[in-house]
Amino acid sequence: DTAVSQTPKYLVTQMGNDKSIKCEQNLGHDTMYWYKQDSKKFLKIMFSYNNKELIINETVPNRFSPKSPDKAHLNLHINSLELGDSAVYFCASSPDSLYEQYFGPGTRLTVT
Amino acid sequence: AQSVTQLGSHVSVSEGALVLLRCNYSSSVPPYLFWYVQYPNQGLQLLLKYTSAATLVKGINGFEAEFKKSETSFHLTKPSAHMSDAAEYFCAVSDRNNDMRFGAGTRLTVKP
Repeated sequence: DTAVSQTPKYLVTQMGNDKSIKCEQNLGHDTMYWYKQDSKKFLKIMFSYNNKELIINETVPNRFSPKSPDKAHLNLHINSLELGDSAVYFCASSPDSLYEQYFGPGTRLTVT
Repeated sequence: AQSVTQLGSHVSVSEGALVLLRCNYSSSVPPYLFWYVQYPNQGLQLLLKYTSAATLVKGINGFEAEFKKSETSFHLTKPSAHMSDAAEYFCAVSDRNNDMRFGAGTRLTVKP
């Protein structure tokens, strides 16, 4: 069974479009995250979500918004896509912010 | 806030040689420390973790790391490199006050 899954794995779209990436975890974890990994492999945390408390990295544009329909899901919605949004986006979960995180396989977003 | 510094963005070793990947951390409270590995086109996987028990931690695939409080270090080692160890390695720190923070990553290349 896949612990943390993301869909789609690849997403190619044009500038100005709106897109969503879905994330689901079946580990029963309370905390979920979204990360952006750039071409130099640098991991930047975008959001963490714990029991309906959303912590936003202040550097993330408000075009990005996480949506959590329930504890097992944290989707990422992106409005008005820009070229600089091209990256690999990872979802992760953990039982608590202190403990190890379990990562999804990533979604490679390409904006043309 | 806590942080980690990985010394060396790229490390190259010969197959069978010692692997040493360096990580120094900064934290105002007792930290939890982690090493993750990322193979090409995959998400991050936990290699090992330090959670205030034994200072020498053994992980998967023959890797180990030693927590040295006096040096604020958590270096990752493996006695003999294998071609399959080629990947990106990330050191990370977490504590009760903050979300996990990742280092910039070290790319390990293994030469035949």
